[in-house]
Amino acid sequence: AQSVTQLGSHVSVSEGALVLLRCNYSSSVPPYLFWYVQYPNQGLQLLLKYTSAATLVKGINGFEAEFKKSETSFHLTKPSAHMSDAAEYFCAVSESGYSTLTFGKGTMLLVSP
Amino acid sequence: DAGITQSPRHKVTETGTPVTLRCHQTENHRYMYWYRQDPGHGLRLIHYSYGVKDTDKGEVSDGYSVSRSKTEDFLLTLESATSSQTSVYFCAISADRGAGNTIYFGEGSWLTVV
Repeated sequence: AQSVTQLGSHVSVSEGALVLLRCNYSSSVPPYLFWYVQYPNQGLQLLLKYTSAATLVKGINGFEAEFKKSETSFHLTKPSAHMSDAAEYFCAVSESGYSTLTFGKGTMLLVSP
Repeated sequence: DAGITQSPRHKVTETGTPVTLRCHQTENHRYMYWYRQDPGHGLRLIHYSYGVKDTDKGEVSDGYSVSRSKTEDFLLTLESATSSQTSVYFCAISADRGAGNTIYFGEGSWLTVV
């Protein structure tokens, strides 16, 4: 069975600092991995996805994530945080041949001036 | 934005009453999903559909039923609402499965059971 663990329910950074949100997955087959962002009272928006084409994936709003098979990780980074990045971020996994996503519990990113 | 409309967006209902949430899509996507979101749990799959009249259970399906009589509509019914079903419900769609096919989400329906 596939699963996702997001380390840290809340992460606080200062504006301009590096953002690092951690995601580790468990999957019995090569996974497909996703990061979604949710702004208050809104639905989920896809930031980026890994589908085995390249291990470093670039997404919207300056975010990127690197797939590391040896570490079973797919951490999300952004070099310089902006106030508008404050939101909840979800990592999710799906397996080849399956149509559903399994989500982590989410990490709330707080950005201070 | 993916063409997904959820209704109602907000509802307060009493324990024991049936409730139906509607998801309507204009993308002609094959797959439709219902997730619920609760603090500390992330999103959990309730039911999903892979075609008209083809549905399957997800992780938290007890107390919920679904129906899909048309490609564009996917209904979620709480047969007898309980306080534990107070949650935010998200409908999602995808064109196909496999190869990391993207799942797009609606804006959510806030349900409070009192």
